[in-house]
Amino acid sequence: DAGVIQSPRHEVTEMGQEVTLRCKPISGHNSLFWYRQTMMRGLELLIYFNNNVPIDDSGMPEDRFSAKMPNASFSTLKIQPSEPRDSAVYFCASNYGPRGEQYFGPGTRLTVT
Amino acid sequence: RKEVEQDPGPFNVPEGATVAFNCTYSNSASQSFFWYRQDCRKEPKLLMSVYSSGNEDGRFTAQLNRASQYISLLIRDSKLSDSATYLCVVNPQGNDYKLSFGAGTTVTVRA
Repeated sequence: DAGVIQSPRHEVTEMGQEVTLRCKPISGHNSLFWYRQTMMRGLELLIYFNNNVPIDDSGMPEDRFSAKMPNASFSTLKIQPSEPRDSAVYFCASNYGPRGEQYFGPGTRLTVT
Repeated sequence: RKEVEQDPGPFNVPEGATVAFNCTYSNSASQSFFWYRQDCRKEPKLLMSVYSSGNEDGRFTAQLNRASQYISLLIRDSKLSDSATYLCVVNPQGNDYKLSFGAGTTVTVRA
């Protein structure tokens, strides 16, 4: 199994630009999670989907952030416009079942200058 | 109060030593518990699930104390490769898919 795939692995952009992060979950998993990790705040859940439907987006910082899951094998997290405080590592994770462990992708390291 | 709290450490131990640390969780209805390991600049990876009766996986032993709402991890015969941040993870609502992550405990094993 290829595991959770994320792209790009690194992204450097200027303030005000649109950023799109991509994730392919493990085949057969029906839940997908987007996290953000910083030194100051640790690992924060932004949003999660179950069967392609957004279930809880209470962690999304503000309207600049949006996430979609058009099908079971693909999700995007978009930031528009980006700001320097959005600089972080963004992880995508997937799992199957309400109590199952989550499997993380390698993350996208975002730097907004 | 945070849902999951951990001693950040760092725990600096010599090779071969035993190291143990705890985490506490706030929701008494929590159903599932895990320890994840995160290496520097890498993604978190599942180390082990924690079962009510306690469980062992090689040199790693996890314990759950529901009465006091804490989870422990013990590492025996520490190896240099055990150096990492260990994240305590709780599923606070049982039937929900969300996990709550602690901030992590850093362990450094020295030669």
